Amino acid sequence: GENVEQHPSTLSVQEGDSAVIKCTYSDSASNYFPWYKQELGKGPQLIIDIRSNVGEKKDQRIAVTLNKTAKHFSLHITETQPEDSAVYFCAASRRWAGGSYIPTFGRGTSLIVHP
Amino acid sequence: EAGVTQFPSHSVIEKGQTVTLRCDPISGHDNLYWYRRVMGKEIKFLLHFVKESKQDESGMPNNRFLAERTGGTYSTLKVQPAELEDSGVYFCASSHAQGSGYTFGSGTRLTVV
Repeated sequence: GENVEQHPSTLSVQEGDSAVIKCTYSDSASNYFPWYKQELGKGPQLIIDIRSNVGEKKDQRIAVTLNKTAKHFSLHITETQPEDSAVYFCAASRRWAGGSYIPTFGRGTSLIVHP
Repeated sequence: EAGVTQFPSHSVIEKGQTVTLRCDPISGHDNLYWYRRVMGKEIKFLLHFVKESKQDESGMPNNRFLAERTGGTYSTLKVQPAELEDSGVYFCASSHAQGSGYTFGSGTRLTVV
């Protein structure tokens, strides 16, 4: 089965700095890589995703990159703000044609942005 | 639209007791999933319903866990009898059959003492 490793487990940055979270996966058949943000007391929320036919995707201050050959993908947050503080989870899965999928999650990264 | 609702939000029970968690998915979402996160570890898949049918229950830890989704609406996850290692946060998520992603509930934090 799929195995997803996520690093670091904790990341502390100053407001305005960039933050990078890295993940590796083992199943070369995985083709869908979502990232989730979990704020305190809430469930994980999808913030960005990338499919295997794309190498990079951006959405305002957030970007994801994917290296299929090396089987690793990363989340980049620029100009961090205190409200970016949360636990971030990467995941990998085979996305079915019908839209349903079962992701394998990483262990999560606790991002702390200091004002 | 209303999100995925889970209750209770917290539950503390003694080892050997029974607990039932409930999940109300977004209306019209055929797919319903249960996940669990043990402290500091990954979010692990437990099972997947399509309407009232169990599509995949490969992640269920053992036969102390029983999930149901009668009528294809809300789902319950019963743990009987609970053990210490069952402690964790149980998440429910739902998606439309042709949807583009999950919507997670806020989770139920289960503590077995």
